[in-house]
Amino acid sequence: KAGVTQTPRYLIKTRGQQVTLSCSPISGHRSVSWYQQTPGQGLQFLFEYFSETQRNKGNFPGRFSGRQFSNSRSEMNVSTLELGDSALYLCASSLSLAGEFEQFFGPGTRLTVL
Amino acid sequence: DAKTTQPTSMDCAEGRAANLPCNHSTISGNEYVYWYRQIHSQGPQYIIHGLKNNETNEMASLIITEDRKSSTLILPHATLRDTAVYYCIVRPHNQGGKLIFGQGTELSVKP
Repeated sequence: KAGVTQTPRYLIKTRGQQVTLSCSPISGHRSVSWYQQTPGQGLQFLFEYFSETQRNKGNFPGRFSGRQFSNSRSEMNVSTLELGDSALYLCASSLSLAGEFEQFFGPGTRLTVL
Repeated sequence: DAKTTQPTSMDCAEGRAANLPCNHSTISGNEYVYWYRQIHSQGPQYIIHGLKNNETNEMASLIITEDRKSSTLILPHATLRDTAVYYCIVRPHNQGGKLIFGQGTELSVKP
């Protein structure tokens, strides 16, 4: 079974631009979560989607948004990019929202903001 | 805030068992203990999880104390490829997939 895939793997943008990242979950998985990883803050939860609805949200500004499609694929968008948005963005998928189902992470998208 | 406490770093000799401790003294009855690891610049990899009982899979064993306030992840025969940051996470049963990562333990397996 194919794992979680994320595109693109690397991205370079300039301040003020916007960016869209894509995540394809493992087949049959309906929950998709997004995380940001930086050297200073570590791994931080952004949001989670299940059945096309946002179910959980982390403590990030409104510039960070996401959505999920009917096939469970998800996108996240960051508008008005700032230098501090440079990070590894990770997507994880799970069968369901319940705690007994493990999450599987993709390889991440490395975003650099210049 | 992370609800777990782990040592910042540990060393282990190749071929020996690696025992990684985790303290989660405020864990609730419906919270699972999860372990993930992250090899440099890759996505975190799921290792194992448990609620009350000890668990074992092809990668590792998870020992949870009877009071559930601490646990130990055991890699029975560590290899150089097990060098990674190991995260212990407590996760509620019914609050979705949100994982709160702490700083983790940086395990170095040495020849």
